[in-house]
Amino acid sequence: NAGVTQTPKFQVLKTGQSMTLQCAQDMNHEYMSWYRQDPGMGLRLIHYSVGAGITDQGEVPNGYNVSRSTTEDFPLRLLSAAPSQTSVYFCASSHQDQPQHFGDGTRLSIL
Amino acid sequence: EDQVTQSPEALRLQEGESSSLNCSYTVSGLRGLFWYRQDPGKGPEFLFTLYSAGEEKEKERLKATLTKKESFLHITAPKPEDSATYLCAVQAMNYGGSQGNLIFGKGTKLSVKP
Repeated sequence: NAGVTQTPKFQVLKTGQSMTLQCAQDMNHEYMSWYRQDPGMGLRLIHYSVGAGITDQGEVPNGYNVSRSTTEDFPLRLLSAAPSQTSVYFCASSHQDQPQHFGDGTRLSIL
Repeated sequence: EDQVTQSPEALRLQEGESSSLNCSYTVSGLRGLFWYRQDPGKGPEFLFTLYSAGEEKEKERLKATLTKKESFLHITAPKPEDSATYLCAVQAMNYGGSQGNLIFGKGTKLSVKP
């Protein structure tokens, strides 16, 4: 049972480039979410999904897009990377109202 | 505004020296309070969920308690392997359009020296 798998683990981008952070879960969880973690800021919610075909914005959604075509996958897209998006990104999943399971994160640096 | 505040930011203990971490919260209707442990380079790992004031949960050397305004994570006779960052998060009734969304505190970094 792999749980929540995030790829890649590390990535360096140049300003203006686009990329997709992948997140997959094998627990049949309907709820999935993306957080970013910055020093001194704690985890902040970017986007979330309560089921396939349904997504919504969290606290800090600007500059990011998501889609949920299947229950298992919830990719996060950076449209035009900016240095302010340098962060560690975590994906999480759960059944509604149950504790969220987190992946081990993607460490993203934007130059 | 819904928010979660953890204190202290960092805590250094000697092995066997018991202490407590604090999580105070302000939310418009608490659905649940969660404690997570995070090791360097890893994602948060779930520890406890508390739902109502007076509730307590225990796991090995850790005990979590909940009041109407705060939660404590008590660490009894800690060992070096308890060193980690401990995160507190709450689910609020009306946060962000989904009852699943979490509001996190900034965490307490615990170091336990042998």
